[in-house]
This record gives sequence, C-alpha cells and structure tokens, in this order.
Amino acid sequence: GAVVSQHPSWVICKSGTSVKIECRSLDFQATTMFWYRQFPKQSLMLMATSNEGSKATYEQGVEKDKFLINHASLTLSTLTVTSAHPEDSSFYICSASKGTGLGYEQYFGPGTRLTVT
Amino acid sequence: KQEVTQIPAALSVPEGENLVLNCSFTDSAIYNLQWFRQDPGKGLTSLLLIQSSQREQTSGRLNASLDKSSGRSTLYIAASQPGDSATYLCAVNNNAGNMLTFGGGTRLMVKP
Repeated sequence: GAVVSQHPSWVICKSGTSVKIECRSLDFQATTMFWYRQFPKQSLMLMATSNEGSKATYEQGVEKDKFLINHASLTLSTLTVTSAHPEDSSFYICSASKGTGLGYEQYFGPGTRLTVT
Repeated sequence: KQEVTQIPAALSVPEGENLVLNCSFTDSAIYNLQWFRQDPGKGLTSLLLIQSSQREQTSGRLNASLDKSSGRSTLYIAASQPGDSATYLCAVNNNAGNMLTFGGGTRLMVKP
C-alpha cells in the first residue's frame, strides 16, 4: 500500500508555455501533499506543502504565482509551472501523507523530469 | 533552521566491501530520521525509518543507527553489491509536523 504516482514522467515544453504535473495517491487518501524540486546531483528542496481544500504553503523563495498548486481532492494534487523558462528545467517530485503532524510518513512519487527549451 | 549534511558526497568501492554512510544534523530536536535510496532519474525508495527514541533499525544488509544527542546517523551496508549503486539520502523530521529536511546525498558506486 501507499503508492504515489506522477504524470507525466517526463515532459518537454517550449519557453513561455505552461505545464501541469499531476500527483496521485493510488491506494490511500492524502490529507497533505508535498512538492519538491531537485536539480542534477543535488538534493530535494521543498517547494510547497498543500492540504486538501486549502491554499498551498510555499517555502521562502518559491514564487507562488509561477508554481500553482491545487489540491482539490484527497487523492490528487497538481503543480502547474506557468510561463516556463529554461531555468525551470528540473526534476519535480511529489510526496503524499495520510495526515498532518508528527508520525505521518511521506510516500514519494517517481518524479517528473521537466525540460524547457 | 535544521541543516542536514552527508559525508562523503561520493563513494566508490569494490564489490563485497562493508561501508558506512554518514549523516549529521544541527538541531537534535527531531521526531525521526529516514534513509532513502534514489536511482538515477527515479523517485525515492524508503529504506529505514528510525524514531527519535530508537538507536537503530535493521533491514537485510542495511543497518541504520541514530545518536540523537550528537546529531548523527550512520547507514551501514554489509557485503556491498553492484545493485547497491545509487544515491542515498537521509532526511530528518523535526518536531513540527511531518516536514522533511534532506541532506545532500551520497552517490555510491559499487564496482564488480
């Protein structure tokens, strides 16, 4: 149990366009979902935390108008990169948690590689 | 602010060696610590999770220890195999919800 999927697994888009990445919890309800960004040979950096039905909480330095997060249901969160630029090219990983607070483990998706040309 | 450091950043060993990966964290007020494996271009696979009240956890050839007071954890891999080649990440869960802070990772190469 506790499987998280992401779609697409990879995407190439042109500069200035927007791209949407989906994160789904397949066999559990995810109260909280997290979005991370990972540059080559670097670790994961948390971008934002989203709770179902609420606005996402963004980490310092992350532009909320550029990275739109929607967590409309207990099994789906989406990250939309608006007006993408080459510097947005990265590996985006989501995770999902069954609850908020101590003791709730995060389950990670397989990641989405975004390349902006 | 919690900071997590992993040493070494990269490691290359011959098959069969026992090895130790290190993780240190600056704020000892953690709830738990987790070790992950990441293959190139892939997501994270959880290996071991140690609660703050525990000293170690074992799974097969893997053993993770935690010294909370000194802010350190080690991942011990016994009898390493080429299939163990991957990046290993440690992450700490502070006593403030279930947010994780990740270390920079150790890229392990096990040569046949």
